[in-house]
Amino acid sequence: AQSVSQHNHHVILSEAASLELGCNYSYGGTVNLFWYVQYPGQHLQLLLKYFSGDPLVKGIKGFEAEFIKSKFSFNLRKPSVQWSDTAEYFCAVNAKNTGGFKTIFGAGTRLFVKA
Amino acid sequence: EPEVTQTPSHQVTQMGQEVILRCVPISNHLYFYWYRQILGQKVEFLVSFYNNEISEKSEIFDDQFSVERPDGSNFTLKIRSTKLEDSAMYFCASSRTSNSEKLFFGSGTQLSVL
Repeated sequence: AQSVSQHNHHVILSEAASLELGCNYSYGGTVNLFWYVQYPGQHLQLLLKYFSGDPLVKGIKGFEAEFIKSKFSFNLRKPSVQWSDTAEYFCAVNAKNTGGFKTIFGAGTRLFVKA
Repeated sequence: EPEVTQTPSHQVTQMGQEVILRCVPISNHLYFYWYRQILGQKVEFLVSFYNNEISEKSEIFDDQFSVERPDGSNFTLKIRSTKLEDSAMYFCASSRTSNSEKLFFGSGTQLSVL
């Protein structure tokens, strides 16, 4: 079965600072990778996803993530954060299990951006 | 964009009572899921459902939990005898296929067990 770990539980940045949130997964086979965001009081939304091809994936709102297969990593980046990026970010891995494909989430990283 | 809808948005119940959480997945989706998020903790997988049967479930999804698609549009999660530790935000999700599509999440049902 797959597992996902996110290294940072809380991150505090000032506006215009660069962001990198770590995500590592463990699974021996083919995976699909996702980053979801949950703004305060709202439901989960997809930021970006990787299935195959170019390992550098661009998503909405200026976010990007890089899949490094050798490191089992899928880190999320943004060159310059805004106050509106304050949210919780979840890395997720979709892989085949005994009963079919299952998506497992990391513990999440709470980002607070100071204006 | 199409949406997954969940009702109610908030549910308060007494310990030991049965609750049913309702979800309407996106109409052409075939795979359905329930996740939960206890306050301050991560999003946890509960169960996946396809072709009118459970395809995968976690250790959390014990005999107190059941899922059903009673009428071809609704997808329900039933907790037979709620416990305090069942208090959480429950998210329904659906996808067109099981591996190559993103999950579309509903806005969640906040369940409070007193």
